[in-house]
Amino acid sequence: DGGITQSPKYLFRKEGQNVTLSCEQNLNHDAMYWYRQDPGQGLRLIYYSQIVNDFQKGDIAEGYSVSREKKESFPLTVTSAQKNPTAFYLCASHPGAERYTEAFFGQGTRLTVV
Amino acid sequence: AQSVTQLGSHVSVSEGALVLLRCNYSSSVPPYLFWYVQYPNQGLQLLLKYTTGATLVKGINGFEAEFKKSETSFHLTKPSAHMSDAAEYFCATSGAGSYQLTFGKGTKLSVIP
Repeated sequence: DGGITQSPKYLFRKEGQNVTLSCEQNLNHDAMYWYRQDPGQGLRLIYYSQIVNDFQKGDIAEGYSVSREKKESFPLTVTSAQKNPTAFYLCASHPGAERYTEAFFGQGTRLTVV
Repeated sequence: AQSVTQLGSHVSVSEGALVLLRCNYSSSVPPYLFWYVQYPNQGLQLLLKYTTGATLVKGINGFEAEFKKSETSFHLTKPSAHMSDAAEYFCATSGAGSYQLTFGKGTKLSVIP
């Protein structure tokens, strides 16, 4: 079945550690996105990529980094510079060319700082 | 720039009552509009979308929404709420020349037995 897989579902990080969240899609979509979700704040865009080897900062990129070496994969690293990383992280993909087409979402990763 | 505003962060309805979740949009171009649903600790699932053509759009689980250009609205309705409808609902729009979706802040729907 085609879809987006995020792993792990739950992740615990110690203060000062970098952690990487995985996002893989087999939908052959060009565009991929990372969102952060906090209660009452909706979805805020962290980074997005419209093509391999290219990505753009979203609204809240500070403290995060990404790579897009393969079309299928768009990992997100939460660095120690992110002061409040505890949140629910969602990855999404989109075909890229048609604005009227919906984005598809993974099941999310809940990151907790301990 | 495009944006969406969801009125009411939390809506409670009785089981069997009408569900009405409000979304207003702002866009400099004809908008494409989406409603997504999110159950706890899960990703977002598309309920329905408006692209062009018929302004009354039917989606999954008995939901529908009507695009009203004069009111810049795309409200989500369901005639009779079910307990399984309890979730968070997000309205979203895509902008001109952009693949990005802009989301509202979400409305959490509670269904009272």
